[in-house]
Amino acid sequence: DAGVIQSPRHEVTEMGQEVTLRCKPISGHNSLFWYRQTMMRGLELLIYFNNNVPIDDSGMPEDRFSAKMPNASFSTLKIQPSEPRDSAVYFCASSLGGLTQETQYFGPGTRLLVL
Amino acid sequence: GENVEQHPSTLSVQEGDSAVIKCTYSDSASNYFPWYKQELGKRPQLIIDIRSNVGEKKDQRIAVTLNKTAKHFSLHITETQPEDSAVYFCANGGGGNKLTFGTGTQLKVEL
Repeated sequence: DAGVIQSPRHEVTEMGQEVTLRCKPISGHNSLFWYRQTMMRGLELLIYFNNNVPIDDSGMPEDRFSAKMPNASFSTLKIQPSEPRDSAVYFCASSLGGLTQETQYFGPGTRLLVL
Repeated sequence: GENVEQHPSTLSVQEGDSAVIKCTYSDSASNYFPWYKQELGKRPQLIIDIRSNVGEKKDQRIAVTLNKTAKHFSLHITETQPEDSAVYFCANGGGGNKLTFGTGTQLKVEL
């Protein structure tokens, strides 16, 4: 298995531009998570999906952030418009998503820099 | 909501010594306690986990202990090696599939 796949791996953009981050979870995993990691705030959960349905988006910073999961093998996190304070590493993770807690497997992350 | 406190934030040990990292949590419904290791520039990776029906779990040089009454759990690394240098995160989960992560411990193993 290729593991969780994220693209792009690096993104440099200018303030005000739209940014779209992509994630392909591990095949057969039913839960997908988007995290943001910064030195100041650590590892923050932004949103997670079970069976393609958003379950908890309380971590999404504001309306500029949106996430979708149109099918079991693909999810996007969009920032529009982007701001310098959005600069961070964004991780996608997936897990089996059964009745009990299961291991979350992280993707390699997208390093975002907003100038 | 859930809250996880992790200590210390940095830890420096000599090669061969033991390292201990502690976490406390507030949600009594928590029943899953994983530990992740993140090397510089890499993704977090699970190194060991424990569920609430077990008090201790060991995997070679790594062990985790859980005290549900006191709501704290700890990571123990024995015979530390330079490759153990990384940031370690504790986490906990209860209902649902969501995990709450601690703030991380930067472990440095010195030669």
